[in-house]
Parts: sequence; C-alpha cells; structure tokens
Amino acid sequence: QVQLVESGGGVVQPGRSLRLSCAASGFTFTNYGMHWVRQAPGKGLEWVAVIWHDGSNKYYADSVKGRFTISRDNSKNTLYLQMNSLRAEDTAIYYCARESLVEVAGTSLDYWGQGTLVTVSS
Amino acid sequence: SYELTQPPSVSVSPGQTARITCSGDALPKKYAYWYQQKSGQAPVLVIYEDNKRPSGIPERFSGSSSGTMATLTISGAQVEDEGDYYCYSTDSSGNRRVFGGGAKLTVL
Repeated sequence: QVQLVESGGGVVQPGRSLRLSCAASGFTFTNYGMHWVRQAPGKGLEWVAVIWHDGSNKYYADSVKGRFTISRDNSKNTLYLQMNSLRAEDTAIYYCARESLVEVAGTSLDYWGQGTLVTVSS
Repeated sequence: SYELTQPPSVSVSPGQTARITCSGDALPKKYAYWYQQKSGQAPVLVIYEDNKRPSGIPERFSGSSSGTMATLTISGAQVEDEGDYYCYSTDSSGNRRVFGGGAKLTVL
C-alpha cells in the first residue's frame, strides 16, 4: 500500500534552516510528481511546491520562493524540502503528497502523509 | 498571485443538499478538485477533474463547473460529512497550484 512518511519537523528559531524528508513506499516513486502542502494552526491548506517525477521542473508558491527548495532522490524514494530563512508565518504542519497519474485521477493529490509540525519561534 | 474563493461556512440539516462554491478566473480552462478534511486528519480527495468521483467516495458527492465557478454538491448530507472542504486547481500556466480558503460544512 502507498505510504508517505514525513520527518524532520521541530522547533527552530527565526532566520534558521530546517530540512524535511518524506519517505515513500508502496509505489514506483520515479513515476510520480510530488508536492509539499502546509497548514498553519487553525488555518487552511496552502500549496508550497511541486517537483516533477524526474526532478526536471520545480515550482513554488510566492510565499516561499527563494527561501525553500524542493528536491528528490529517486534512488532513495525520498522527497525533501529545504527551508531557509524561516519566519514565524512558516509555522505549520507540512504534508507531502503524491500527484496522481493523469489517466487515473487527473493531477489530483491522491495520497498524503500524516504531516510533520514545524514551529518557528524564538 | 492566483486565488480561489470559497465561502467560509455552509450549514445544512441532515438529508438536505449542501452546495459549496469555488470561484477562480482560470476555472473555465482548468479543472477543479475537491478535498474533505476532518479534524486532525490529512485531506481526502472527493472529486477530481470537476465532476469525477474516486472509488470509495459515496455517490451523494458530485461536482460541476461552469465559467469561473466550480461547485461541490452533497445530496442528502449526513452528519459524518461535517468537516472542511477545499477546492484545488492550477493557475493559468498550469504550473503553480492553489487551494481555496476552505469552507466549513456543518450538518445539524
């Protein structure tokens, strides 16, 4: 079965960096685009970034562009999010999510991890 | 940046029809997707490509889209349908994704 397990969250001071990981299993990782989505406490979902199946293209939300970097290691079935220059407003649960194959469910995010909490505070 | 607009809340009695709207300038050319999120849980896809239902999603969930507005309809809403509902789509480039602000559905 498809599993996505995030790790790397924690408490970090403003201006510092943190790297999140998402370990994927139960499917052929190299065939799928992958996303990061976040949710601030008590707030709605916010799309953060996407990386294509082969890592050839990456796109970011304006709120994180230039500070966050999405990457993947297909040999390790792992997705990453490098977060630099963190701000209080980056405090959120960070979810990794798989993008469906177009012929199955369009470009929906069909599987999600349970999330990892990042708290930016001094 | 591109935005999708949803009403913050929708309230219906059990058995009634709930409709949640989502408006966005790119929706005439881009598909809408809908997610249900219950407290403390990851989101679940309930509608994809405007009006298609994933396996395992009850038939009372349906979707439609016309012009700049997409609509999620829950026919005969049940108490267990309570939660937050988010629309999701892409900007006109098709590269950046966006979620609506979410609508809290109350069934009581």
